[in-house]
Amino acid sequence: EVQLVESGGGLVQPGGSLRLSCAASGFTFSDYYMEWIRQAPGKGLEWVGRIRNKANSHTTDYAASVKGRFTISRDDSKNSLYLQMNSLRSEDTAIYYCVRTNGAFDVWGHGTLVTVSS
Amino acid sequence: DIQMTQSPSSLSASVGDRVTITCQATQDITIFLNWYQQKPGKAPKLLIYDASNLETGVSSRFSGSGSGTDFSLTISGLQPEDVATYYCQQYDRPPYTFGQGTKLEIK
Repeated sequence: EVQLVESGGGLVQPGGSLRLSCAASGFTFSDYYMEWIRQAPGKGLEWVGRIRNKANSHTTDYAASVKGRFTISRDDSKNSLYLQMNSLRSEDTAIYYCVRTNGAFDVWGHGTLVTVSS
Repeated sequence: DIQMTQSPSSLSASVGDRVTITCQATQDITIFLNWYQQKPGKAPKLLIYDASNLETGVSSRFSGSGSGTDFSLTISGLQPEDVATYYCQQYDRPPYTFGQGTKLEIK
């Protein structure tokens, strides 16, 4: 079964850091581009960023709202995707989804909630 | 950035109705447009990719059309399980923007 499972969410103070992880299974993780997408409480979907596969040098793109603060990385040997979040703000409070890209965003994890609050 | 505008923001229809949601892009995105369904408390699910292709396992009651800047999602024979919020999304170029969502309810 193709599956993505996020972990690492929680409560963090403004200005703090958090690292999210996503464990992939059921497919050849190293072949795919992967994304992080977030959803603030009661709001719509916002693309956070992308990391390409090894064939495309693991290059990354980010939304302007997180560029310079968030870093996406992957470990293909562990079938894992990561999101390092620094200098967190209240507006970063959201459910963060790990998503596989196959042109479209075709496989989604269940999400992990990040709450930025003092 | 490419902005995606969905219409309407919400709608209420009866079981068996045919409903259409539209999505407009601020730039030509050819067919790089996907549709997602999100039920309350769940992750989004891919319905339609490349504007008109039905994702495997998705009911044939869902269909998509359009190209360039104007797109639509149609649900034929509305069922109670179709209650959800629907999002369009462009993947022509980053940032890969979503529409604001259309909340569908049953009368």
